[in-house]
Amino acid sequence: GENVEQHPSTLSVQEGDSAVIKCTYSDSASNYFPWYKQELGKRPQLIIDIRSNVGEKKDQRIAVTLNKTAKHFSLHITETQPEDSAVYFCAAIPSDASKIIFGSGTRLSIRP
Amino acid sequence: KAGVTQTPRYLIKTRGQQVTLSCSPISGHRSVSWYQQTPGQGLQFLFEYFSETQRNKGNFPGRFSGRQFSNSRSEMNVSTLELGDSALYLCASSLKEAGTQYFGPGTRLLVL
Repeated sequence: GENVEQHPSTLSVQEGDSAVIKCTYSDSASNYFPWYKQELGKRPQLIIDIRSNVGEKKDQRIAVTLNKTAKHFSLHITETQPEDSAVYFCAAIPSDASKIIFGSGTRLSIRP
Repeated sequence: KAGVTQTPRYLIKTRGQQVTLSCSPISGHRSVSWYQQTPGQGLQFLFEYFSETQRNKGNFPGRFSGRQFSNSRSEMNVSTLELGDSALYLCASSLKEAGTQYFGPGTRLLVL
């Protein structure tokens, strides 16, 4: 069946460095790709999303890129800060909105 | 608008009992999805309801069931509780089917 693979499962970066999380999807009909951030003890919240007609989207220090041919999309966080420490989930939704498939999550830790 | 609310926030049950969790979506949202999250695990999809109809169901046993009311509020029921059902249960609402998920704070269930 359809799935979304997310890597790495854990990531530790020095404060100020960049972090990249990658997701690969199997359903070629997927056309909407949101990213969620879940801080410790809190609910997941949408931080950025991208649709299949766009290759890249930026919002301050966060950017998402999409490669439809390779069926993968990535989250890029630049100039990381302690408050970026959280679990990040990617997701893929097909054009018929039949389902939402989440990746397994990446635990990002920012080292001081 | 008020966010997604869930009740109760915490619950302790014993094996064999049954439990009902409630979720009130954001006003105007007609889709409600339920997820199970265990420590260190991702978001395991349980089911999605839209306009009182179950659209999708994840790979969970029949002990897990749900329903949605005409005001879009949703309930999830787990019968014959097992120790492994201890988890954080998150619901999320969205405007449309498989749309951007807005999560509630979750109900933390502990089965003893």
